[in-house]
Amino acid sequence: DVVMTQSPLYLPVTPGQPASIFCRSSQSPVFSDGNTYLSWFHQRPGQSPRRLIYKVSNRDSGVPDRFSGSGSGTDFTLKISRVEAEDVGFYYCMQGIYWPRTFGQGTKVEIK
Amino acid sequence: QVQLVQSGAEVKRPGASVKVSCKASGYPFSNFGFSWVRQAPGQGLEWVGWISPYNGNTKYARNVQGRVTMTTDTSTSTAYMELRSLRSDDTAVYYCGREPRVAAAGTLDYWGQGTLVTVSS
Repeated sequence: DVVMTQSPLYLPVTPGQPASIFCRSSQSPVFSDGNTYLSWFHQRPGQSPRRLIYKVSNRDSGVPDRFSGSGSGTDFTLKISRVEAEDVGFYYCMQGIYWPRTFGQGTKVEIK
Repeated sequence: QVQLVQSGAEVKRPGASVKVSCKASGYPFSNFGFSWVRQAPGQGLEWVGWISPYNGNTKYARNVQGRVTMTTDTSTSTAYMELRSLRSDDTAVYYCGREPRVAAAGTLDYWGQGTLVTVSS
């Protein structure tokens, strides 16, 4: 199975400051159509995951522009330009070309 | 708008079966597939399987293969996940999520609200 490795697993953040989460895939999630199927999800306590980013860098509708995704090959980054209180929770990366689908372990973001 | 509404919480004995439903609305049902993802208490996300209402194709995770069956009912726009021979480590919140309808590349763009399945004697 493709292993998705996130770091850090715990990220205390100060409101207004930037934050970054890294994700490494054991195999590149580049599909034959040329697209890279790497997504990021945010899950608040007691809620379902919500997709933020798809195909590495495309923001979903309604996602604030302080969230951005980047990367290529096997290394990817989710960046929050200025953290807000509502950004707390867990963040997961996921590869979408290999079966089984696999997720990173999750990064817990907390306000300092 | 796209909505995935799941059935309510279940409590089952070890060895029993559970069937969770996921009713879709807001889009043509057969145009998209479903992945099922579970989350054990305090743990991360684990993919369980995928089904296409378009052609009935399925893919299952190895650790539930043989115990899980995913189906869809196009007349009611509902996807189902049945898990048999339940064990305590099947205790989790089970989510359905919308995926592409063919077994190619994709991502879960919409998620249900989750169904807690508790396996306890």
